[in-house]
Amino acid sequence: SQELEQSPQSLIVQEGKNLTINCTSSKTLYGLYWYKQKYGEGLIFLMMLQKGGEEKSHEKITAKLDEKKQQSSLHITASQPSHAGIYLCGALSGGSNYKLTFGKGTLLTVNP
Amino acid sequence: KAGVTQTPRYLIKTRGQQVTLSCSPISGHRSVSWYQQTPGQGLQFLFEYFSETQRNKGNFPGRFSGRQFSNSRSEMNVSTLELGDSALYLCASSHGQGQASTFYGYTFGSGTRLTVV
Repeated sequence: SQELEQSPQSLIVQEGKNLTINCTSSKTLYGLYWYKQKYGEGLIFLMMLQKGGEEKSHEKITAKLDEKKQQSSLHITASQPSHAGIYLCGALSGGSNYKLTFGKGTLLTVNP
Repeated sequence: KAGVTQTPRYLIKTRGQQVTLSCSPISGHRSVSWYQQTPGQGLQFLFEYFSETQRNKGNFPGRFSGRQFSNSRSEMNVSTLELGDSALYLCASSHGQGQASTFYGYTFGSGTRLTVV
């Protein structure tokens, strides 16, 4: 089954700093999702990447999927306290049994 | 449009009891997936329903079951509750099914926090 490894597990940054979160898959990614979660709440959809080399941006968040479609990165520019939360990458496993598998998440703290 | 609605938000049950959680997907979405989230295991896939049929199932014991109704609303049932079943249960809806969901994406509800004492 597909496994997603996220790094780092946790991250503390000063407001205004840039940061990057990585998501590495053991298999080729058919669809890679980035979600954000506030503790104890539901997941908020950020971005979805499908094609090798694809890059998407929304406000100060940019996500990329590498050419080999086995690694994705999420980059936040000029972080703000509102960016704090748990970032999760999720991917659809292939074969005949499609299901969305998630990494363990990256806990981001932004200090004002 | 309304998002994915999960009820109840919080639930406290005693070991050995059973519980039913409800999920109403976004209007027009026919796929509903359920996930269990715990601090130790993270988000784990339970099952997916599409047009009232279970299409995928995760590695959970038979105490975990679900169903989907003709209006796409879904329920999840856990029988003979154990302490380890304490978790945040999330459901997600999608317009498509399986691989098609790569094109439509998944929208999550706010979850049901289940505490077993």
